[in-house]
Amino acid sequence: AQSVTQLGSHVSVSEGALVLLRCNYSSSVPPYLFWYVQYPNQGLQLLLKYTTGATLVKGINGFEAEFKKSETSFHLTKPSAHMSDAAEYFCAVSDLAGNNRLAFGKGNQVVVIP
Amino acid sequence: DGGITQSPKYLFRKEGQNVTLSCEQNLNHDAMYWYRQDPGQGLRLIYYSQIVNDFQKGDIAEGYSVSREKKESFPLTVTSAQKNPTAFYLCASSMLGSTEAFFGQGTRLTVV
Repeated sequence: AQSVTQLGSHVSVSEGALVLLRCNYSSSVPPYLFWYVQYPNQGLQLLLKYTTGATLVKGINGFEAEFKKSETSFHLTKPSAHMSDAAEYFCAVSDLAGNNRLAFGKGNQVVVIP
Repeated sequence: DGGITQSPKYLFRKEGQNVTLSCEQNLNHDAMYWYRQDPGQGLRLIYYSQIVNDFQKGDIAEGYSVSREKKESFPLTVTSAQKNPTAFYLCASSMLGSTEAFFGQGTRLTVV
């Protein structure tokens, strides 16, 4: 079964500093990988996804992630944090191509310090 | 506008009562999903359905039931058998073969 590990439930970052959220996955088949963002009391919004092809994926709001098969990782980065980036971020993996039976990590709550 | 609508946004239930959460989509998506979210636990899959009149249990189906009588609708019933129902519930949908799921705004259920 697929699974995702996100370490550090709360992440504090200064405004203007690098945002780095780590995601490691376990999958017996080539994975489809996703990052979602959630604002308080709202649903999830897709930030970016990796399916096939280019391993560096760019998403919305200046975020990007790199798929590294050798490290089974899909870390999320943003060069300069903005106050509006304060939210919860989830990494997810799907178990079959095109099957959205997603397995989620436990999430990272990002706090941006002015 | 196309999207997924969950209602109500907030729901209070007395212990021992069943309650049904609504999820409607007008995206013409084949597949629909219910997830439960608890603080620090991420999202866990309750049930999913890929076609009308068919659905499968997810990882935490005990104490829940669903129906899929129409393509647009996938209601979730939280039964009295669910011992810890207080949580945030999220509905999602996707096209079969697609790599993207779209989420509703969620329903926060509180047992009082």
